[in-house]
Amino acid sequence: ETGVTQSPTHLIKTRGQQVTLRCSSQSGHNTVSWYQQALGQGPQFIFQYYREEENGRGNFPPRFSGLQFPNYSSELNVNALELDDSALYLCASSFRSSGANVLTFGAGSRLTVL
Amino acid sequence: DAKTTQPTSMDCAEGRAANLPCNHSTISGNEYVYWYRQIHSQGPQYIIHGLKNNETNEMASLIITEDRKSSTLILPHATLRDTAVYYCIVSLGNTPLVFGKGTRLSVIA
Repeated sequence: ETGVTQSPTHLIKTRGQQVTLRCSSQSGHNTVSWYQQALGQGPQFIFQYYREEENGRGNFPPRFSGLQFPNYSSELNVNALELDDSALYLCASSFRSSGANVLTFGAGSRLTVL
Repeated sequence: DAKTTQPTSMDCAEGRAANLPCNHSTISGNEYVYWYRQIHSQGPQYIIHGLKNNETNEMASLIITEDRKSSTLILPHATLRDTAVYYCIVSLGNTPLVFGKGTRLSVIA
């Protein structure tokens, strides 16, 4: 079984630009969550997608948006980049059920905004 | 905000058991206790979870007190590769996991 893969692994953007990060879910998973992790902090929940619809959102502005595709892969888009958007962006997939929510994380995409 | 309290850091001698405590005094009856760890520059890795009973898998054991207000993650024989930040999370099923700052475990040779 393949794990969660994210691309690109590293990227550098300038303030005001837009960025798209991609994530392939683990086989058999139907839910994708995105997290932002600033240096020295724990991951912060951005949003979750299930059945191609946003299904929960953390305290992030609308310029953070996402998509989930029929194959359960996902994209995170960030518009009008700010310096504080520099962080490790983590994608996690899971199988939605009535029980525990066990996430499998990817290695992350490290974004630097200059 | 995270619903758990963990020590900022801990040290453990290689080969000894590492016991990582977590306080979750406001846990509700249907909330799970999850443990993840994050090795430097990698994504978090799932370790174990439990609801009411103690749990054990190939990585660790999870001991939950009878009142469920605290728990302990036990790594039975810590190795240098277990050096990481360990996160204790309390959450209902299918709700987003909220990470705190975790415990930085340093395993010392």
